[in-house]
Amino acid sequence: DGGITQSPKYLFRKEGQNVTLSCEQNLNHDAMYWYRQDPGQGLRLIYYSQIVNDFQKGDIAEGYSVSREKKESFPLTVTSAQKNPTAFYLCASSSRGNTEAFFGQGTRLTVV
Amino acid sequence: GEDVEQSLFLSVREGDSSVINCTYTDSSSTYLYWYKQEPGAGLQLLTYIFSNMDMKQDQRLTVLLNKKDKHLSLRIADTQTGDSAIYFCAESMKGGYNKLIFGAGTRLAVHP
Repeated sequence: DGGITQSPKYLFRKEGQNVTLSCEQNLNHDAMYWYRQDPGQGLRLIYYSQIVNDFQKGDIAEGYSVSREKKESFPLTVTSAQKNPTAFYLCASSSRGNTEAFFGQGTRLTVV
Repeated sequence: GEDVEQSLFLSVREGDSSVINCTYTDSSSTYLYWYKQEPGAGLQLLTYIFSNMDMKQDQRLTVLLNKKDKHLSLRIADTQTGDSAIYFCAESMKGGYNKLIFGAGTRLAVHP
């Protein structure tokens, strides 16, 4: 089945550690996105990529890094510089000109 | 600037209609969307409307767009318990890809 897969579903991080969230899609979409969701707030864009080997910062990129070495994959690294990383992270993808962005099931990251 | 606002909560009785409202500020939006999020899950696209339309109906869902007031609404007819979720309004900017700006989401609770 075509879709977007995020892993893991739950992730725990110790203070000062970097962690990487996985996002894979087999929809042949050019564009991929990472959003952060906090309670009572809408989704905020962290990074997005419109093509392989290229990506742009979103509204809250500080403390995060991404790579886009393959069309299918857009991993997000939450670095120790991100002071408040506990949140629900959502990955999405879309094709050029398409009206719909497809979302993964999310990864809930908790700092312990 | 870009901003999307929604009320945070709505409670309705099963079988009644639900109306979820949203206002946006960017008049250059091309598409406006309604997404549904069930607990612990990603976002599912319910419907969207192009900015030159006034209304769109899809089974139990009716979207109304008032461009003059920058107001978007989602009406769910015959609301069921399975409709309980968070509903996000989003707008996308001009361009080839879906860089979406989300509202904070409206939590819909359906009671017997």
